[in-house]
Amino acid sequence: DTAVSQTPKYLVTQMGNDKSIKCEQNLGHDTMYWYKQDSKKFLKIMFSYNNKELIINETVPNRFSPKSPDKAHLNLHINSLELGDSAVYFCASSPSAAYSSGNTIYFGEGSWLTVV
Amino acid sequence: LAKTTQPISMDSYEGQEVNITCSHNNIATNDYITWYQQFPSQGPRFIIQGYKTKVTNEVASLFIPADRKSSTLSLPRVSLSDTAVYYCLVGDGGYNQGGKLIFGQGTELSVKP
Repeated sequence: DTAVSQTPKYLVTQMGNDKSIKCEQNLGHDTMYWYKQDSKKFLKIMFSYNNKELIINETVPNRFSPKSPDKAHLNLHINSLELGDSAVYFCASSPSAAYSSGNTIYFGEGSWLTVV
Repeated sequence: LAKTTQPISMDSYEGQEVNITCSHNNIATNDYITWYQQFPSQGPRFIIQGYKTKVTNEVASLFIPADRKSSTLSLPRVSLSDTAVYYCLVGDGGYNQGGKLIFGQGTELSVKP
């Protein structure tokens, strides 16, 4: 019954490694997102895809590369991990890309990434 | 982009009504106001959304004055399980802007017995 699911939930890895976080939504939504939450609780949009097409790409290092094989999946691949990449990464989805009444964003449970 | 300002933290006791006010002086005409709740180790969860006046659902009420430059989330009779961070957001409006919701620092509500 999980609406937005992401794996893994916890990930500890060494600097310089490459890792991926996978996300799937079973809500039939057109739009998916990746958000990053730092230790101060700020939640920042990283990427947004609408029907597999990238529509929002905030200032994020090129080491971060999202991939959407279909509109139900949005994966995040991170190359050459750095200490500063340690954060919680949230996948989310919404019915459409328009911010309007009823277009609620549903978040996954988060993936806790720790780079050592 | 409309920015929001809300108290960093609030304390309350079980059974009390809690009101969290958010300022959004630069809210645009087409922007909606949305509140999310985040429990520790979980993703944010939608609580309520409104455009003007008052909106009420089974969880909370949202009061928006006529000038829409602020909004107040009201939680009736809070319980310990309402301890969470509450985010006030205003939308950027328009197609392809839905993801650019600006999440501020949020208000950390602590409910005590």
